[in-house]
Amino acid sequence: GNSVTQMEGPVTLSEEAFLTINCTYTATGYPSLFWYVQYPGEGLQLLLKATKADDKGSNKGFEATYRKETTSFHLEKGSVQVSDSAVYFCALSAAPQGGSEKLVFGKGTKLTVNP
Amino acid sequence: DARVTQTPRHKVTEMGQEVTMRCQPILGHNTVFWYRQTMMQGLELLAYFRNRAPLDDSGMPKDRFSAEMPDATLATLKIQPSEPRDSAVYFCASGRGRGVGETQYFGPGTRLLVL
Repeated sequence: GNSVTQMEGPVTLSEEAFLTINCTYTATGYPSLFWYVQYPGEGLQLLLKATKADDKGSNKGFEATYRKETTSFHLEKGSVQVSDSAVYFCALSAAPQGGSEKLVFGKGTKLTVNP
Repeated sequence: DARVTQTPRHKVTEMGQEVTMRCQPILGHNTVFWYRQTMMQGLELLAYFRNRAPLDDSGMPKDRFSAEMPDATLATLKIQPSEPRDSAVYFCASGRGRGVGETQYFGPGTRLLVL
Protein backbone atom coordinates (compact mmCIF):
# COMPACT_ATOMS: atom_id res chain seq x y z
CA GLY A 1 0.00 0.00 0.00
CA ASN A 2 0.89 3.67 -0.06
CA SER A 3 3.08 4.97 2.74
CA VAL A 4 5.20 7.93 3.78
CA THR A 5 8.32 7.85 5.92
CA GLN A 6 9.75 11.04 7.33
CA MET A 7 12.64 11.68 9.63
CA GLU A 8 12.04 11.31 13.33
CA GLY A 9 12.02 14.42 15.42
CA PRO A 10 12.25 16.50 17.31
CA VAL A 11 14.56 18.85 15.44
CA THR A 12 15.99 21.84 17.28
CA LEU A 13 17.77 24.61 15.39
CA SER A 14 19.02 28.09 16.00
CA GLU A 15 17.51 30.99 14.11
CA GLU A 16 18.95 31.41 10.58
CA ALA A 17 20.12 27.78 10.44
CA PHE A 18 19.50 25.57 7.39
CA LEU A 19 16.64 23.10 7.64
CA THR A 20 16.19 19.74 5.95
CA ILE A 21 13.42 17.31 6.82
CA ASN A 22 13.65 14.07 4.87
CA CYS A 23 10.61 12.38 3.38
CA THR A 24 10.42 9.25 1.25
CA TYR A 25 7.35 7.50 -0.07
CA THR A 26 5.99 4.27 -1.46
CA ALA A 27 3.06 4.49 -3.83
CA THR A 28 1.38 2.82 -6.74
CA GLY A 29 0.68 4.96 -9.73
CA TYR A 30 1.69 8.62 -9.83
CA PRO A 31 1.22 10.28 -6.48
CA SER A 32 0.94 13.94 -5.64
CA LEU A 33 3.14 14.99 -2.74
CA PHE A 34 2.47 17.53 -0.02
CA TRP A 35 3.97 19.19 3.00
CA TYR A 36 1.48 20.32 5.63
CA VAL A 37 2.37 22.34 8.73
CA GLN A 38 0.62 22.34 12.10
CA TYR A 39 1.20 25.24 14.47
CA PRO A 40 0.49 24.67 18.17
CA GLY A 41 -3.21 24.30 18.90
CA GLU A 42 -4.23 24.57 15.27
CA GLY A 43 -5.25 22.34 12.39
CA LEU A 44 -2.98 21.44 9.52
CA GLN A 45 -2.46 23.82 6.64
CA LEU A 46 -0.88 23.25 3.29
CA LEU A 47 2.69 24.49 3.07
CA LEU A 48 3.52 23.36 -0.47
CA LYS A 49 2.84 20.59 -2.95
CA ALA A 50 4.05 19.01 -6.19
CA THR A 51 1.92 16.97 -8.52
CA LYS A 52 4.44 15.46 -10.92
CA ALA A 53 8.05 14.34 -11.07
CA ASP A 54 10.70 17.09 -10.99
CA ASP A 55 8.17 19.71 -9.89
CA LYS A 56 9.36 22.00 -7.13
CA GLY A 57 6.87 23.29 -4.59
CA SER A 58 7.75 26.44 -2.70
CA ASN A 59 6.16 28.74 -0.15
CA LYS A 60 7.35 31.08 2.63
CA GLY A 61 10.99 30.24 1.86
CA PHE A 62 10.40 26.49 2.06
CA GLU A 63 11.08 24.26 -0.94
CA ALA A 64 10.70 20.60 -1.85
CA THR A 65 11.38 18.82 -5.14
CA TYR A 66 9.50 15.73 -6.28
CA ARG A 67 12.20 13.13 -7.04
CA LYS A 68 10.69 10.07 -8.65
CA GLU A 69 14.02 8.27 -9.03
CA THR A 70 14.66 8.39 -5.28
CA THR A 71 10.97 8.47 -4.26
CA SER A 72 11.68 11.49 -2.10
CA PHE A 73 10.23 14.91 -1.31
CA HIS A 74 12.62 16.50 1.19
CA LEU A 75 11.68 19.83 2.75
CA GLU A 76 14.32 22.56 2.92
CA LYS A 77 14.63 26.13 4.09
CA GLY A 78 17.77 28.18 3.94
CA SER A 79 17.26 30.26 7.05
CA VAL A 80 14.68 29.31 9.65
CA GLN A 81 12.91 31.72 11.97
CA VAL A 82 11.43 31.27 15.42
CA SER A 83 7.99 31.52 13.81
CA ASP A 84 8.71 28.34 11.82
CA SER A 85 8.46 26.28 15.01
CA ALA A 86 5.72 23.75 14.27
CA VAL A 87 5.09 20.13 13.32
CA TYR A 88 5.67 19.31 9.65
CA PHE A 89 3.88 16.46 7.90
CA CYS A 90 4.80 14.91 4.59
CA ALA A 91 1.84 13.37 2.76
CA LEU A 92 0.83 11.82 -0.52
CA SER A 93 -2.33 11.16 -2.44
CA ALA A 94 -2.44 8.50 -5.10
CA ALA A 95 -5.56 7.08 -6.60
CA PRO A 96 -6.78 4.86 -9.35
CA GLN A 97 -8.51 6.60 -12.18
CA GLY A 98 -11.48 8.51 -10.90
CA GLY A 99 -10.51 7.56 -7.39
CA SER A 100 -10.14 9.40 -4.15
CA GLU A 101 -8.04 12.25 -2.90
CA LYS A 102 -7.22 10.49 0.33
CA LEU A 103 -4.05 11.69 2.01
CA VAL A 104 -1.55 9.33 3.60
CA PHE A 105 0.55 11.15 6.18
CA GLY A 106 3.96 10.60 7.68
CA LYS A 107 4.33 10.64 11.46
CA GLY A 108 5.27 14.31 11.58
CA THR A 109 8.49 16.09 12.56
CA LYS A 110 8.46 18.64 15.32
CA LEU A 111 10.70 21.62 14.66
CA THR A 112 11.76 24.05 17.36
CA VAL A 113 13.73 27.14 16.39
CA ASN A 114 15.51 28.99 19.18
CA PRO A 115 16.40 32.71 19.02
CA ASP B 1 -11.35 34.21 4.52
CA ALA B 2 -13.24 30.91 4.21
CA ARG B 3 -12.45 28.33 6.87
CA VAL B 4 -13.59 24.93 8.05
CA THR B 5 -15.26 25.23 11.43
CA GLN B 6 -15.57 22.53 14.05
CA THR B 7 -17.56 22.32 17.25
CA PRO B 8 -16.96 21.77 20.06
CA ARG B 9 -13.29 22.67 20.27
CA HIS B 10 -12.89 20.71 23.49
CA LYS B 11 -14.95 17.91 24.98
CA VAL B 12 -14.49 16.00 28.23
CA THR B 13 -16.85 13.12 28.81
CA GLU B 14 -17.14 9.90 30.74
CA MET B 15 -16.76 6.45 29.31
CA GLY B 16 -20.02 5.15 27.85
CA GLN B 17 -21.40 8.56 26.91
CA GLU B 18 -22.32 9.58 23.37
CA VAL B 19 -20.11 12.19 21.72
CA THR B 20 -21.13 14.20 18.66
CA MET B 21 -18.64 16.34 16.76
CA ARG B 22 -19.72 18.75 14.03
CA CYS B 23 -17.98 20.22 11.05
CA GLN B 24 -18.96 22.94 8.61
CA PRO B 25 -16.96 22.58 5.40
CA ILE B 26 -15.96 25.55 3.28
CA LEU B 27 -18.87 26.68 1.12
CA GLY B 28 -18.61 25.12 -2.32
CA HIS B 29 -16.37 22.26 -1.26
CA ASN B 30 -17.84 18.84 -2.06
CA THR B 31 -15.43 16.51 -0.25
CA VAL B 32 -15.20 16.12 3.51
CA PHE B 33 -12.68 14.08 5.48
CA TRP B 34 -12.56 13.07 9.14
CA TYR B 35 -9.13 12.38 10.70
CA ARG B 36 -8.03 11.32 14.15
CA GLN B 37 -4.68 12.41 15.56
CA THR B 38 -2.95 10.66 18.46
CA MET B 39 0.63 10.60 19.63
CA MET B 40 0.91 6.87 19.03
CA GLN B 41 -0.81 6.53 15.65
CA GLY B 42 -0.33 9.96 14.15
CA LEU B 43 -2.99 11.08 11.66
CA GLU B 44 -5.50 8.45 10.59
CA LEU B 45 -8.28 8.85 8.06
CA LEU B 46 -11.59 7.75 9.54
CA ALA B 47 -14.10 8.63 6.81
CA TYR B 48 -14.39 10.44 3.50
CA PHE B 49 -17.44 11.90 1.76
CA ARG B 50 -17.99 13.29 -1.70
CA ASN B 51 -21.22 15.14 -2.51
CA ARG B 52 -22.51 13.96 0.91
CA ALA B 53 -22.12 10.28 0.00
CA PRO B 54 -19.68 8.17 2.02
CA LEU B 55 -16.86 6.92 -0.20
CA ASP B 56 -14.60 5.30 2.33
CA ASP B 57 -15.04 4.65 6.04
CA SER B 58 -12.66 1.72 6.27
CA GLY B 59 -10.59 3.50 8.92
CA MET B 60 -13.51 3.88 11.30
CA PRO B 61 -14.43 1.38 14.05
CA LYS B 62 -17.91 0.47 12.83
CA ASP B 63 -19.27 -0.77 16.09
CA ARG B 64 -19.12 2.58 17.85
CA PHE B 65 -18.37 5.28 15.28
CA SER B 66 -20.68 6.75 12.68
CA ALA B 67 -20.25 9.61 10.22
CA GLU B 68 -22.95 11.41 8.26
CA MET B 69 -23.60 14.49 6.18
CA PRO B 70 -27.20 15.57 6.79
CA ASP B 71 -26.70 18.40 4.31
CA ALA B 72 -23.90 20.01 2.33
CA THR B 73 -23.05 22.42 5.14
CA LEU B 74 -22.81 19.93 8.00
CA ALA B 75 -20.82 16.78 8.68
CA THR B 76 -21.10 14.87 11.95
CA LEU B 77 -18.98 12.24 13.64
CA LYS B 78 -20.55 10.31 16.50
CA ILE B 79 -19.06 7.93 19.00
CA GLN B 80 -21.45 5.77 21.00
CA PRO B 81 -20.46 4.50 23.49
CA SER B 82 -17.20 6.39 23.96
CA GLU B 83 -14.13 4.73 25.47
CA PRO B 84 -10.91 6.15 26.96
CA ARG B 85 -8.97 4.94 23.89
CA ASP B 86 -11.05 7.34 21.78
CA SER B 87 -9.26 10.29 23.42
CA ALA B 88 -7.63 12.17 20.56
CA VAL B 89 -7.90 15.27 18.42
CA TYR B 90 -10.45 14.87 15.63
CA PHE B 91 -9.98 16.97 12.52
CA CYS B 92 -12.37 17.67 9.71
CA ALA B 93 -11.06 18.77 6.33
CA SER B 94 -12.79 19.78 3.12
CA GLY B 95 -11.77 20.05 -0.51
CA ARG B 96 -13.04 20.90 -3.98
CA GLY B 97 -13.03 17.27 -5.08
CA ARG B 98 -10.85 17.73 -8.15
CA GLY B 99 -8.91 14.53 -7.63
CA VAL B 100 -5.36 13.58 -6.76
CA GLY B 101 -3.31 16.66 -5.96
CA GLU B 102 -6.21 18.59 -4.50
CA THR B 103 -5.51 20.59 -1.36
CA GLN B 104 -7.41 19.72 1.80
CA TYR B 105 -8.38 22.52 4.18
CA PHE B 106 -8.38 21.54 7.83
CA GLY B 107 -10.49 22.78 10.69
CA PRO B 108 -9.01 23.58 14.12
CA GLY B 109 -9.99 20.19 15.53
CA THR B 110 -12.02 18.85 18.44
CA ARG B 111 -9.91 17.73 21.38
CA LEU B 112 -11.72 14.83 23.02
CA LEU B 113 -10.92 13.38 26.43
CA VAL B 114 -12.84 10.32 27.57
CA LEU B 115 -12.43 9.57 31.27
